[in-house]
Amino acid sequence: GAVVSQHPSWVICKSGTSVKIECRSLDFQATTMFWYRQFPKQSLMLMATSNEGSKATYEQGVEKDKFLINHASLTLSTLTVTSAHPEDSSFYICSARVAGEIQETQYFGPGTRLLVL
Amino acid sequence: AQSVTQLDSHVSVSEGTPVLLRCNYSSSYSPSLFWYVQHPNKGLQLLLKYTSAATLVKGINGFEAEFKKSETSFHLTKPSAHMSDAAEYFCVVTPIYNQGGKLIFGQGTELSVKP
Repeated sequence: GAVVSQHPSWVICKSGTSVKIECRSLDFQATTMFWYRQFPKQSLMLMATSNEGSKATYEQGVEKDKFLINHASLTLSTLTVTSAHPEDSSFYICSARVAGEIQETQYFGPGTRLLVL
Repeated sequence: AQSVTQLDSHVSVSEGTPVLLRCNYSSSYSPSLFWYVQHPNKGLQLLLKYTSAATLVKGINGFEAEFKKSETSFHLTKPSAHMSDAAEYFCVVTPIYNQGGKLIFGQGTELSVKP
């Protein structure tokens, strides 16, 4: 149980284009999903918290107009990197928290590697 | 405020020998503590979690961790390392009734296993 998927697993795009990454909870409902960014050999950096049916909460320093997050259902959140540039190249990981679970366990997706040329 | 410090950025062991990955935490509230493992180019997999029940927590793949409040530690151990254990390990803390759900990550420990 508690499986989270991401699509695509990796993407290469040209500078200036937009890229959408999907995060799905496959066997549970997730009222809250989280988006992280990870640079090589570094820990995960929380970008934003996404709550179903409401606006995402962004961490300090994360541009909300550049990283658009939509959480339209209890099983799907999307991250759109708008007008991507080479410095946006990174490994993006989502996680989901099981709705109603007291202990705050987050289940992570496999990640999406973005390369902007 | 919460924080977590992984005391070693890299640990190298021989196959079949014990593994010890050290983690110290700081938390204003009763913490939930987790260990996650990340294999190269993969997402994070939950190894084990502590949420105020038994202080010795057993996880998957033979790993376990002991919550020591007096030492503010949550070290991860395994009696005998396997080649497949080579990966990055993250110690994570969050307040036990954290309504915001934010996790605080350590910087990670890279475990190498030599044949």
